[in-house]
Amino acid sequence: QVQLQESGPGLVKPSETLSLTCTVSGCSISSGYYWGWIRQPPGKGLEWIGSIYHSGSTYYNPSLQSRVTISVDTSKNQFSLKLSSVTAADTAVYYCARGGLTGNYLGDYWGQGTPVTVSS
Amino acid sequence: QSALTQPRSVSGSPGQSVTISCTGTSSDIGGYNYVSWHQQHPGKAPKLMIYDVSKRPSGVPDRFSGSKSGNTASLTISGLQADDEADYYCCSYAGSYTFWVFGGGTKLTVL
Repeated sequence: QVQLQESGPGLVKPSETLSLTCTVSGCSISSGYYWGWIRQPPGKGLEWIGSIYHSGSTYYNPSLQSRVTISVDTSKNQFSLKLSSVTAADTAVYYCARGGLTGNYLGDYWGQGTPVTVSS
Repeated sequence: QSALTQPRSVSGSPGQSVTISCTGTSSDIGGYNYVSWHQQHPGKAPKLMIYDVSKRPSGVPDRFSGSKSGNTASLTISGLQADDEADYYCCSYAGSYTFWVFGGGTKLTVL
């Protein structure tokens, strides 16, 4: 069974970098799927942050592109998110998800989500 | 403001059918057949219910169906059940610059 689990600090100071890792089990991260990050501010809707293909090709939300880096570690079966220069507007629940083999959807398997608060 | 427009809420009685619309443009919904729908219960992760406009992942009941006409996609839930009460989000591919956009979400209430 495919499972994804987010991990990382739940509290980040303004102007610092948010770093999260998604550990995948039950599916090799090199098996050809896309892997993505999606976030949800409190009481609001979903926002796609970015995705990565197992080859390392990355795709970012244009509104976040200047601050986002997504990388993959195939040896650990993990992929990671870094979001720099955070502000209170980046406070959200962050989800990782497995996308389609052909990139035709964002997530058939999702992590449980990890809340991140940006505050001093 | 979300790129795709959904009604904020819809409601229906058990056993009835409801349809949730999702309106975009020719740059997203109208341009590609990569529309998906996600169900989200409070405090839970989203669950994929429909992909490629009308396909259901394994395990999703056939009470859930999707369609598209022009720049508008729709999710229809027939034979409403109490557990269908949740938020529903549409999502569409929007080309090689924007990539993915979501709707603002629709709260389904089962009366």
